[in-house]
Amino acid sequence: GNSVTQMEGPVTLSEEAFLTINCTYTATGYPSLFWYVQYPGEGLQLLLKATKADDKGSNKGFEATYRKETTSFHLEKGSVQVSDSAVYFCALSASGGYNKLIFGAGTRLAVHP
Amino acid sequence: DAGVIQSPRHEVTEMGQEVTLRCKPISGHDYLFWYRQTMMRGLELLIYFNNNVPIDDSGMPEDRFSAKMPNASFSTLKIQPSEPRDSAVYFCASSHDLAGAHNEQFFGPGTRLTVL
Repeated sequence: GNSVTQMEGPVTLSEEAFLTINCTYTATGYPSLFWYVQYPGEGLQLLLKATKADDKGSNKGFEATYRKETTSFHLEKGSVQVSDSAVYFCALSASGGYNKLIFGAGTRLAVHP
Repeated sequence: DAGVIQSPRHEVTEMGQEVTLRCKPISGHDYLFWYRQTMMRGLELLIYFNNNVPIDDSGMPEDRFSAKMPNASFSTLKIQPSEPRDSAVYFCASSHDLAGAHNEQFFGPGTRLTVL
């Protein structure tokens, strides 16, 4: 079946450090891939998405590239800020999946000044 | 647009009581999803609707949970009777199906339920 695996947290970084959160997926067909972010006390919100192989999603300095050959969608940011502290969820939407999302377990990021 | 609206934002109740959580999706969205989030189990999809019809309720934990969507602008998730292990944050999300594209879900702020 369809599934998403992302690296366990928490990830603790100093401000301006480089961030990578790994995400790999298992799916039939051609899924779309998403990164959602959840700030403390809030619901999830879309950070970026990619709908086909080799697409790069980007937003707020974050990037992720849809790699079909490695079934991966790793999230990166060149210089994190304290305000990036949140939980990050990788997700996929399978072909014919009625807009249903399959979420990973989430990775908590803590950025210190 | 006001986004997805959930009420109440916080609910504290005693074991055995009935709890009703409410959701108003974004106008024009034809999918509605109910999720539960806990530290132990993470984010779980409970049930989702398309055009007010339940499509998949396999995530509903047991018969104490029920969900309805009487019209396109309102849905409820009911727990009767509630138990302490139901304590969690419950999220509602909605999305719009655009010609088969994979579209984002918009989440509400959640209802934090505490069952004593």
